[in-house]
Amino acid sequence: AQKVTQAQTEISVVEKEDVTLDCVYETRDTTYYLFWYKQPPSGELVFLIRRNSFDEQNEISGRYSWNFQKSTSSFNFTITASQVVDSAVYFCALSDPTGANNLFFGTGTRLTVIP
Amino acid sequence: DTAVSQTPKYLVTQMGNDKSIKCEQNLGHDTMYWYKQDSKKFLKIMFSYNNKELIINETVPNRFSPKSPDKAHLNLHINSLELGDSAVYFCASSQDIKLVNVEQYFGPGTRLTVT
Repeated sequence: AQKVTQAQTEISVVEKEDVTLDCVYETRDTTYYLFWYKQPPSGELVFLIRRNSFDEQNEISGRYSWNFQKSTSSFNFTITASQVVDSAVYFCALSDPTGANNLFFGTGTRLTVIP
Repeated sequence: DTAVSQTPKYLVTQMGNDKSIKCEQNLGHDTMYWYKQDSKKFLKIMFSYNNKELIINETVPNRFSPKSPDKAHLNLHINSLELGDSAVYFCASSQDIKLVNVEQYFGPGTRLTVT
């Protein structure tokens, strides 16, 4: 069965600090996808990134970067020079192939960026 | 144009009532999902449909009945509402059920409050 652990329930940082959100997953599948979604206070779920299990290259998109390490089953997310607009709940998710490849979500990390 | 839309955005109703939430996607996707987000922000799959056919039916009370009149719509009907049904319900869609197309696009959510 799939499992996604986001051990950090809440994180607070001061604006312009860097912050890393941790995600550890468990799966018996050899092929799978990992995701990060952002849920701002307005409530919608915003797709940030997806990564397949065969691609361990780190990815950078502006102030966002992701570190995927299969050896430790981790897919961590770093925000550089955080801004108040980054305040949100961030979810890590894992594809679940048992049915329709729905997403299995972690419990989320609430990030608060203090001005 | 909104890719995945849900109506209503807010729904307040009394215990015992029957209510429906509608979802429409204009992405031409084959697969649609319903997720429930509880008060602790935990997101869990409820149902998924592929080409109007039910693929996944998680351990959800049979008071919840999804209906897909066509590929672009997946409605959620809830009978005999209970206090514990209060949550945010998200509709999502993906191109199809193939793992490579597992990226999901979410609607804005419907906040259901049962009093």
